[in-house]
Amino acid sequence: KAGVTQTPRYLIKTRGQQVTLSCSPISGHRSVSWYQQTPGQGLQFLFEYFSETQRNKGNFPGRFSGRQFSNSRSEMNVSTLELGDSALYLCASSFLPRGYEQFFGPGTRLTVL
Amino acid sequence: QKEVEQDPGPLSVPEGAIVSLNCTYSNSAFQYFMWYRQYSRKGPELLMYTYSSGNKEDGRFTAQVDKSSKYISLFIRDSQPSDSATYLCAGAKYNNNDMRFGAGTRLTVKP
Repeated sequence: KAGVTQTPRYLIKTRGQQVTLSCSPISGHRSVSWYQQTPGQGLQFLFEYFSETQRNKGNFPGRFSGRQFSNSRSEMNVSTLELGDSALYLCASSFLPRGYEQFFGPGTRLTVL
Repeated sequence: QKEVEQDPGPLSVPEGAIVSLNCTYSNSAFQYFMWYRQYSRKGPELLMYTYSSGNKEDGRFTAQVDKSSKYISLFIRDSQPSDSATYLCAGAKYNNNDMRFGAGTRLTVKP
C-alpha cells in the first residue's frame, strides 16, 4: 500500500509570492491534516479536512488556506509569503479524523527568500 | 506555555542502554497520547499510541501515561544505532486531528 505522497518535495519562493502544496493520502483515507514544522516552533497543526469539509483550523493567519477534493487529495495554499513561512509542511492522513491513527508524508520543504 | 513540553536534548547513549524519554502536558482534555519517531529529512512515523492512563508495550518500546501527573514516557530497551532519531510526543482529544506536539528529543545511540 502506497504511503502519503506530497509534491513538490522542495520549493524555493520569494517574499510576496504564493505557493500551492499538494498531498495525496493513503488509498481509502478520507481525513487529511496539514502541519508546519520549524526549528523554533516545532510541529504545529494548520488544518484538518474530512470528506471535503474543514473540521478544525489551527492558529495561523488567513494567508494559509486549504481544500480537499472528492478523491480525498488535498492542497494547501500560502499567499503573500513571508520569510517566517520557511518550514517543512507535512501532510498526514487517516481513515477517520483520529489524530492517533494518522500517517505522515515526507513533507514539502519550503524556503522563502 | 506550550500544551506539551518536551526536553529537546540532545540525548546520547551507548548501544544496548535503556532510554527514557519524557513529556508533560497541560491540557486535561487530551485522551490520546502518541509517540512519533522522525529521521532526518523524513516525516514523523507513528511508533505507538496509548489511550488515557496506562502502559503499552510493543517490542523494545514501552509507552506510559500518568494522567494524574500529566506525564508521558517512552522507554526503549536494548537501544540500537538505528534508533537514532528525533522522538516527538503528542496529545490529542478523541476524534480530533489537532494533535499538540512536544519539541522533540534528539536521540543518538552510539555503537
